[in-house]
Amino acid sequence: GAGVSQSPRYKVAKRGQDVALRCDPISGHVSLFWYQQALGQGPEFLTYFQNEAQLDKSGLPSDRFFAERPEGSVSTLKIQRTQQEDSAVYLCASSQYMVTETQYFGPGTRLLVL
Amino acid sequence: AQSVTQLGSHVSVSEGALVLLRCNYSSSVPPYLFWYVQYPNQGLQLLLKYTTGATLVKGINGFEAEFKKSETSFHLTKPSAHMSDAAEYFCAVTESGGSNYKLTFGKGTLLTVNP
Repeated sequence: GAGVSQSPRYKVAKRGQDVALRCDPISGHVSLFWYQQALGQGPEFLTYFQNEAQLDKSGLPSDRFFAERPEGSVSTLKIQRTQQEDSAVYLCASSQYMVTETQYFGPGTRLLVL
Repeated sequence: AQSVTQLGSHVSVSEGALVLLRCNYSSSVPPYLFWYVQYPNQGLQLLLKYTTGATLVKGINGFEAEFKKSETSFHLTKPSAHMSDAAEYFCAVTESGGSNYKLTFGKGTLLTVNP
């Protein structure tokens, strides 16, 4: 079956631009996660949704980062006024429920801010 | 908060040799433990996970890992490396308590396999 998909796969933005990154989770998966992976580092947790409810946004680096999942399926991560330090790969993952359930990862969106 | 240490950012082995990738975590409370593999320009793929029960866990592609509570370790092994195993490997643990949905990753170990 279809896995987690993300779009765009690559995004180049000028500093100060707003960007929107899309995640399509596996159909029926309740939980959705966003992670940020800087070059040469492991992924770091950004935020977590259970259905449409954002239960944890403790990992968002600043108030320029905003995520939503209005209908409990597709999610969008928005970054306002992008900065060079926002350059990273943004990974989306989904799981059927949570805790011991496997998180299935998408291919990521590579964001480069110039 | 949990922390994960992967010893060796880069491991190089010969084809057919033993693969050993090390992972230690910080919590005294046994978390759930995972190994993921990442091929270039692809997302993370689960190799194996430990939740409860048998401490020796077998995964895909011939990999296995052993949970050792006394050593707070979860090292990944494969008896005989194949060229297709070349990739980056990440160890991850869940947070404890109410944030147990959150994965904390190590910095990764890049495995190269020489012919």
